[in-house]
Amino acid sequence: NAGVTQTPKFQVLKTGQSMTLQCAQDMNHEYMSWYRQDPGMGLRLIHYSVGAGITDQGEVPNGYNVSRSTTEDFPLRLLSAAPSQTSVYFCASRQGSYYEQYFGPGTRLTVT
Amino acid sequence: AQSVTQLDSHVSVSEGTPVLLRCNYSSSYSPSLFWYVQHPNKGLQLLLKYTSAATLVKGINGFEAEFKKSETSFHLTKPSAHMSDAAEYFCVVSDRETGFQKLVFGTGTRLLVSP
Repeated sequence: NAGVTQTPKFQVLKTGQSMTLQCAQDMNHEYMSWYRQDPGMGLRLIHYSVGAGITDQGEVPNGYNVSRSTTEDFPLRLLSAAPSQTSVYFCASRQGSYYEQYFGPGTRLTVT
Repeated sequence: AQSVTQLDSHVSVSEGTPVLLRCNYSSSYSPSLFWYVQHPNKGLQLLLKYTSAATLVKGINGFEAEFKKSETSFHLTKPSAHMSDAAEYFCVVSDRETGFQKLVFGTGTRLLVSP
């Protein structure tokens, strides 16, 4: 099993550009989540999904879109990048509510 | 609403001495609590979890944590620090308010281990 994979590892965008961060898992997990990590702030939940076709907002959803058409994939779209979105983004998945969360290696995004 | 407070942003210990990383939580329901570790430029790894079974939870690499409902605490301990323990540690809470669907992270404690 590859676990949770994320692409790209690094990305530089200009303000106003759009892009999609990819996340895939091969563990057949129902729950998937996107977090951003900023210094001194821990990880903050952006969006999450409890199954294909079901998504919901987390703590900091503005400026981001998600969809979940398959169990395996959970892409995160930045609609119009802003410098405030410079961060490290982590995707995670878990089997269900009471189970541990598995994290991907992260994507470091810089918006200039 | 559920929340978690990590009381120290940095903790420094010498190799071979005990480690104590403090975490207090707020939850209206019986929570699930987790500790994760993040080594530099790496993803996060689960150390241990509490889900309403035994209040003393043992994790990987010699770490353990005790759930104390009366103190709303879930402190992480290790009897003897190793250089490889230097990392950032996150306390995490989840509860029935969100159907255990959301995990709320603390701001992290950076553990420094000196020789």
